[in-house]
Amino acid sequence: GAVVSQHPSWVICKSGTSVKIECRSLDFQATTMFWYRQFPKQSLMLMATSNEGSKATYEQGVEKDKFLINHASLTLSTLTVTSAHPEDSSFYICSAPGQGQVIGNQPQHFGDGTRLSIL
Amino acid sequence: GENVEQHPSTLSVQEGDSAVIKCTYSDSASNYFPWYKQELGKRPQLIIDIRSNVGEKKDQRIAVTLNKTAKHFSLHITETQPEDSAVYFCAAADSGTYKYIFGTGTRLKVLA
Repeated sequence: GAVVSQHPSWVICKSGTSVKIECRSLDFQATTMFWYRQFPKQSLMLMATSNEGSKATYEQGVEKDKFLINHASLTLSTLTVTSAHPEDSSFYICSAPGQGQVIGNQPQHFGDGTRLSIL
Repeated sequence: GENVEQHPSTLSVQEGDSAVIKCTYSDSASNYFPWYKQELGKRPQLIIDIRSNVGEKKDQRIAVTLNKTAKHFSLHITETQPEDSAVYFCAAADSGTYKYIFGTGTRLKVLA
């Protein structure tokens, strides 16, 4: 089945550091990927839609300059948390709709998530 | 935009009993409704989904019902087992954008 790989799985870094998270579709092409943030005991909140070859679409309230998204190939999207602060500590998860499925009506495949801790 | 509400936030049942989780959505354009199970610190795992042209779908102990008119859908788990304990999320998806909007989650505890 379709597999989405996310790396790294855990990051601990100092305040002010920029952190890059990678999301790869391993056995299919993904022109669209999604980035979610999940705080402890809360739901998955959609941050942005990553579009291959074009600018990402951000959800209301998400800072574009804070969370940089690049989708340079059909199998890789990256999320960079710039100048991270303790309030950015969270679980970040990416997903991608599987290839070859009916548009708008299919399961998405999630990465394993990245736990980001900013000291 | 789409808004998904989910109830209850926590649910405790005895092993063998049934569990029901309910969700409502606001956007009539949403036409795909997946349910995910998430264990602590792990990725959400799809357990069942339903499309808007279907009213009910069943997979062994798990079933989902959809009422498009009322804009609500429900997850039913029968003969619950301790390994069913997890957080369950419903979601509604827009047909054109693939976007999922998740419900707030239900923490299910199955007591042995």
